[in-house]
Amino acid sequence: QLVVTQSPSASASLGASVKLTCTLSSGHSSFPIAWHQQPPERGPRYLMRVNSDGSHNKGDGIPDRFSGTSSGAERYLTISGLQSEDEADYYCQSWGTGSRVFGGGTKLTVL
Amino acid sequence: DVQLVESGGGLVQPGGSLRLSCTASGFTFNTYWMSWVRQAPGKGLEWVASIQTDGKKTQYVDSVKGRFTISRDNAKNSLYLQMNSLRAEDTAVYYCARCEDYWGHGTLVTVSS
Repeated sequence: QLVVTQSPSASASLGASVKLTCTLSSGHSSFPIAWHQQPPERGPRYLMRVNSDGSHNKGDGIPDRFSGTSSGAERYLTISGLQSEDEADYYCQSWGTGSRVFGGGTKLTVL
Repeated sequence: DVQLVESGGGLVQPGGSLRLSCTASGFTFNTYWMSWVRQAPGKGLEWVASIQTDGKKTQYVDSVKGRFTISRDNAKNSLYLQMNSLRAEDTAVYYCARCEDYWGHGTLVTVSS
C-alpha cells in the first residue's frame, strides 16, 4: 500500500534556500508526486509534479524559485530566495491504485 | 482563468445528508478527472473521491465508501458529492480539485448535534 511520508516541520531564514523531502513507501519508488502549498487560513495551491527521473512540470504562475528533483524513493521541493509569503504548509501527494494519497504535510517557517 | 467554486456546505446532524456542488469554468471540464479532498480542523489534506472524465469510473477512500457518492454533469460543468450517514469525523472543509492541479476555495461541512 502506498504511503507518503513528510517531516512535520522545517525552517530557514529569509533569503536562504530550503529543501523539503517526500518519501514514497517501499515498492513505489517510480511513482510521480505532486507538491501543493497551503498558506495559513487559505486553500491549497498546486506547485508542480515531480517524476521519478527528476523532471517536473510546474503549475501556472509558479515562480522559478520553486524547483523539484528526485532520488530513488525521495522527491524534493527546493525553494530558493525564501520570502515571507513562502511560510506555509507543503503537502506531497501521489497516485496509488484507485486512490490518491497525501503526506502529512511539512510546516515551513521562514525565520 | 480556471475557477472552481464549491457550495452546499453547512451544519448537519449526525446521520444526516448533504450534497456539495462544484461549478467549474475556464477549462474544458469533460476532459479532466475531478476530485474531492477534505481537511478536518487543524489537520492535513485527505483525498475523499475522484471521478473519471465521463463519470463511469469512481474511486473512494475507504472511510466514505458506501456513504458518499461522487458524480458529475458535464453539460453543466459541475461536480457533486452526495454525503449520507454523516458522522462527526466527516467535519471538514471540502475542496473540489481538477486532477489535483487546480483547487477551489472550499466549503465547510460541520456534523454536530
